[in-house]
Amino acid sequence: DADVTQTPRNRITKTGKRIMLECSQTKGHDRMYWYRQDPGLGLRLIYYSFDVKDINKGEISDGYSVSRQAQAKFSLSLESAIPNQTALYFCATSDPDKSTQYFGPGTRLTVL
Amino acid sequence: QKEVEQNSGPLSVPEGAIASLNCTYSDRGSQSFFWYRQYSGKSPELIMFIYSNGDKEDGRFTAQLNKASQYVSLLIRDSQPSDSATYLCAVNPQNTGNQFYFGTGTSLTVIP
Repeated sequence: DADVTQTPRNRITKTGKRIMLECSQTKGHDRMYWYRQDPGLGLRLIYYSFDVKDINKGEISDGYSVSRQAQAKFSLSLESAIPNQTALYFCATSDPDKSTQYFGPGTRLTVL
Repeated sequence: QKEVEQNSGPLSVPEGAIASLNCTYSDRGSQSFFWYRQYSGKSPELIMFIYSNGDKEDGRFTAQLNKASQYVSLLIRDSQPSDSATYLCAVNPQNTGNQFYFGTGTSLTVIP
């Protein structure tokens, strides 16, 4: 089984809809991250969490919110989706000594 | 100014040649540097990390770090068609906790 899983893997939605992307991990890491990837812009950090009670904004948090339901679960929500949120979204975890990030398989989101 | 910059390529090398990928970063106090490989449609996977000036070798891969010049490079010896992918440079700047900044990636094609 994969260490970092994301659901759904693909999603098409309409402008204005609320959508939630979910991430689960079995690596036992405290640190979890949400990134989006766009062609030509690389990976950009949306939110990150160092533990259940610690949530931090990243480079591009506007229009997004997160919830850390447990050590193993970190969800990303788009309260009112807009077309420029169409992107590939990755969840990641990192180990305690901060040396490595482990990525989930990604969620391809299309907002029409 | 972007935190991390890479030449987007595409870079093409013949099979068996050395591929050289370069990355520059803006935060002089950065301590940790990473190279990830990303196949099309897949998630990034860690190839190497480097913390100290100089070279670090792992099989066919060598990471080179020069903090004075603020660049980090990745050399791939005996390039194989299976090395064809996008290579992402990531940096953990100082005073950002556990945030990572990624470059936009360099696309590498190894020609058989």
